[in-house]
Amino acid sequence: EDKVVQSPLSLVVHEGDTVTLNCSYEVTNFRSLLWYKQEKKAPTFLFMLTSSGIEKKSGRLSSILDKKELFSILNITATQTGDSAIYLCAVEHNAGGTSYGKLTFGQGTILTVHP
Amino acid sequence: SAVISQKPSRDICQRGTSLTIQCQVDSQVTMMFWYRQQPGQSLTLIATANQGSEATYESGFVIDKFPISRPNLTFSTLTVSNMSPEDSSIYLCSVRKGSLYEQYFGPGTRLTVT
Repeated sequence: EDKVVQSPLSLVVHEGDTVTLNCSYEVTNFRSLLWYKQEKKAPTFLFMLTSSGIEKKSGRLSSILDKKELFSILNITATQTGDSAIYLCAVEHNAGGTSYGKLTFGQGTILTVHP
Repeated sequence: SAVISQKPSRDICQRGTSLTIQCQVDSQVTMMFWYRQQPGQSLTLIATANQGSEATYESGFVIDKFPISRPNLTFSTLTVSNMSPEDSSIYLCSVRKGSLYEQYFGPGTRLTVT
């Protein structure tokens, strides 16, 4: 059975701290791994990772994928209160059959940043 | 990215009734998906909406309960039929778009069944 596991499930930090969120996976027909930020209803796209070892960066956020060890991390440096959200990791299934494009999500990490 | 709208944004419905949720995208996309997020849970794929053919449902979801239409490449509807309180969830549509075909989500519909 396909599985995506995130850790920690929740995290409380103070502004300025650096956080690392983890995502491990066991899925068939892996195509890509995606990170989303969810504040109210809609998940907002952050990164899509397809190759091992290539870091993606956007401002204070960065992410990297290890396809050999089947995990990814999302780093947030100099956290701000606006970073408080649920961070979701999802794995996209590859072409072939009816699972093409399907995302399997982890449980999410609830990040709370205090002033 | 993609500009996706959903209607309604929220609704409160009575047990036994049905609700149709609309999803509109600002440009043509091949693949559209419908997800459900139950309270305190992560997202689960309900079905893939295929243009010109029947939707493809995931295990645990059936067409009679969640009929889907996809009349063209920019629009889809999901109906939640014969609702019960267990159907109270956020329902989200998503599309694959962009240079790497990343997935983007609509704003969601928060459904409460009483």
